[in-house]
Amino acid sequence: GAVVSQHPSWVICKSGTSVKIECRSLDFQATTMFWYRQFPKQSLMLMATSNEGSKATYEQGVEKDKFLINHASLTLSTLTVTSAHPEDSSFYICSARPDRVQETQYFGPGTRLLVL
Amino acid sequence: QKEVEQNSGPLSVPEGAIASLNCTYSDRGSQSFFWYRQYSGKSPELIMFIYSNGDKEDGRFTAQLNKASQYVSLLIRDSQPSDSATYLCAVMDSNYQLIWGAGTKLIIKP
Repeated sequence: GAVVSQHPSWVICKSGTSVKIECRSLDFQATTMFWYRQFPKQSLMLMATSNEGSKATYEQGVEKDKFLINHASLTLSTLTVTSAHPEDSSFYICSARPDRVQETQYFGPGTRLLVL
Repeated sequence: QKEVEQNSGPLSVPEGAIASLNCTYSDRGSQSFFWYRQYSGKSPELIMFIYSNGDKEDGRFTAQLNKASQYVSLLIRDSQPSDSATYLCAVMDSNYQLIWGAGTKLIIKP
């Protein structure tokens, strides 16, 4: 149990385009999901907390108009990188916190984004 | 500012030996502590969590927590080359948000 999927696992896009990444909890409900970004050889950086049915909470320094988050159901959150630029190239990872066990998070496999 | 500190390493350990990974945290009110393993290019994988002072064992892994010293550690017995990875310490705050350490890179030498 406690499986989180992400789609796509890899995406290459041209500068200026938008990219949508999906995060799904497959066998549990998650009112809260988290979006992280990780640059090579660096630790995880929390970008935002996604809450089902309400606006996401963004960490300081993260542009909410550039990184759009929609948590439309208890099993799905999406992150859209709008007008992507090469500096947005990174490893994006989501995690989901089960509603029944709030004191843990399960991670998706990550999405590697390369903006040319 | 809530902080979680880890030695970045790399920590090199011979195969079969005990690997000891350490983590300190600043928020004395923290209640839950987690160790994640991250292989290069992959997302973190939960190895263990601990809530109470003392030791918690799971197979070759032992988590140790000392709240008075604000210190949590992970011991890996009989280290295997497949244990080579970056180990991330995470501490959950009162809002159920994880505060992450930068990770310790562990290398198990055959």
